[in-house]
Amino acid sequence: GAGVSQSPRYKVAKRGQDVALRCDPISGHVSLFWYQQALGQGPEFLTYFQNEAQLDKSGLPSDRFFAERPEGSVSTLKIQRTQQEDSAVYLCASSSGTGNTEAFFGQGTRLTVV
Amino acid sequence: EDQVTQSPEALRLQEGESSSLNCSYTVSGLRGLFWYRQDPGKGPEFLFTLYSAGEEKEKERLKATLTKKESFLHITAPKPEDSATYLCAVQADSNSGYALNFGKGTSLLVTP
Repeated sequence: GAGVSQSPRYKVAKRGQDVALRCDPISGHVSLFWYQQALGQGPEFLTYFQNEAQLDKSGLPSDRFFAERPEGSVSTLKIQRTQQEDSAVYLCASSSGTGNTEAFFGQGTRLTVV
Repeated sequence: EDQVTQSPEALRLQEGESSSLNCSYTVSGLRGLFWYRQDPGKGPEFLFTLYSAGEEKEKERLKATLTKKESFLHITAPKPEDSATYLCAVQADSNSGYALNFGKGTSLLVTP
């Protein structure tokens, strides 16, 4: 597709439920990022993939958060045993390079934990 | 620790009233400074990347500049469609070198 696609756009989860958020990056993009954006805040880095390799997961807030990109294209962010504080917009971004090149963002998945 | 601070938090302009948004940063080893625009309910949209002090980039009514401590986003004769949140982010050696460290943004409202 022409841009980064994320699904679902909205997800409501009961506390304790597991969720999986999907990201389809721009075709051919090597780098893929996940960010978490709370209301009224800037995005906060979660994790970075270069092709299928997860090179940086320093931003994942706990071991309940797990991300994968097994074939170097589509990525999934999984959150286990969701808690209310996980409610946020989860943004995926991809870029063609591996350095300081511009990243293109998807529209995000808004997760609400009730 | 890296810090990115944007000011003001919110700005209201009349159509045609030029102004500037500020992004001050403290990082070790700047790799790039990025400006994004974010509309409600959407992901950030890339505007500019600046790599070194003294660099300037322009796009329509927007002009971004960079010094060793801060960046400015100048908006000349804004229109209502320029209303959005403007985000500044830095990429630096002091973290992994991959992550973008964002400020909280400046919410801009341009009234007719």
